[in-house]
Amino acid sequence: AQSVTQPDIHITVSEGASLELRCNYSYGATPYLFWYVQSPGQGLQLLLKYFSGDTLVQGIKGFEAEFKRSQSSFNLRKPSVHWSDAAEYFCAVGAFSGNTPLVFGKGTRLSVIA
Amino acid sequence: NAGVTQTPKFQVLKTGQSMTLQCAQDMNHNSMYWYRQDPGMGLRLIYYSASEGTTDKGEVPNGYNVSRLNKREFSLRLESAAPSQTSVYFCASKGTGIIPEAFFGQGTRLTVV
Repeated sequence: AQSVTQPDIHITVSEGASLELRCNYSYGATPYLFWYVQSPGQGLQLLLKYFSGDTLVQGIKGFEAEFKRSQSSFNLRKPSVHWSDAAEYFCAVGAFSGNTPLVFGKGTRLSVIA
Repeated sequence: NAGVTQTPKFQVLKTGQSMTLQCAQDMNHNSMYWYRQDPGMGLRLIYYSASEGTTDKGEVPNGYNVSRLNKREFSLRLESAAPSQTSVYFCASKGTGIIPEAFFGQGTRLTVV
């Protein structure tokens, strides 16, 4: 069965500092991988997605993620965090079949301090 | 470009009352999903529909029923609401592109007292 682990429940970073959010997945084949962001009171917005090809994926809002098959990881990074990045971040895994639901991690809440 | 639309946005129910959460998408997607979000639990799948006319249970289906009314609409019904169903409910739809991402509605915040 597919599963996603986000080891960090809450992370606090200073504005301008770099950010890395961790995601580990369990899946029997090559998965589809996603990062979503949820601002308070809002729905989920897709940041980036990956299936194959270049293991470094660029997304919106200056985010990027790196796929490492050997570590079953898909960590999200940003070189310089802005106060508006404060939100909850979810990693998700999906199967090749288009109808299979995405499985989400429990999320990492990001706080940004001045 | 509406995407996925959920109604209502907020609802307070008394224990034992029933209600239906509505969801509609205008992206011609085959697959639709209902998730609930609780603090520290992430998003958990309640039910999904791979195509019009089919529905399947997800991780937490107890206490819920669904109807895939047509390709656009997928409703979630609580027949007898319980305080444990206090949550934020999200509807999503997914296309069949090269990397099929899910598109989410804005959510329904439900409180059962």
